[in-house]
Amino acid sequence: EVQLLESGGGLVQPGGSLRLSCAASGFTFTDYVLAWVRQAPGRGLEWVSSISHNGVNIEYADSVKGRFTISRDNSQNTVFLQMNSLRAEDTAVYFCAKKYPKSSPFDHWGQGSLVTVSS
Amino acid sequence: IQLTQSPSFLSASVGDRVTITCRASRAISNDLAWYQQKAGEAPKLLIYTASTLESGVPSRFSGSVSGTDFTLTISSLQPEDLATYYCQHYNTYPLTFGGGTTVEIK
Repeated sequence: EVQLLESGGGLVQPGGSLRLSCAASGFTFTDYVLAWVRQAPGRGLEWVSSISHNGVNIEYADSVKGRFTISRDNSQNTVFLQMNSLRAEDTAVYFCAKKYPKSSPFDHWGQGSLVTVSS
Repeated sequence: IQLTQSPSFLSASVGDRVTITCRASRAISNDLAWYQQKAGEAPKLLIYTASTLESGVPSRFSGSVSGTDFTLTISSLQPEDLATYYCQHYNTYPLTFGGGTTVEIK
């Protein structure tokens, strides 16, 4: 069974940092692109960042570019999102999701991790 | 690429045929998916490549495309279809989602 389990969310002050993790199991981790998608309270879905199967190709949404860093550890089947210079508008549930390389949808999602940026 | 989804909300009765539309701001081939998100849950993939049903998804769900206009149809609405539905393109980065359609059961 495919599982994506996010952790690391919580309450952080504006300007602070947080690191999310997503532990994967039930599939061949190195075959897939991993991504983060967020959802602000009561709002829609927003793609944040993606990382290729080997970590070479990385993409970011303009809203987080220069502040967030995605990475993966293929030996631990885990993907990370380092979030710096956090703002109130980064408050959201952060979902981890996987997809095949090339043009493909997100075929599995984790349950999400809530990040709250507030003083 | 912007995705304009409509309506943002709809209310329908059990057994009704429901249609949700997603218009892309430019050509995206058929690189479009539909997701269902129930309250408090993660999104679930329903349809990809505009019209291919994901394994395990009930056959009352279907997708179609005409140019840059994509449609999700529920042929006979069921109580368990209460959810918000999102379209998403994966043609190129940045990936984007439509604004969502919340489906209420009358």
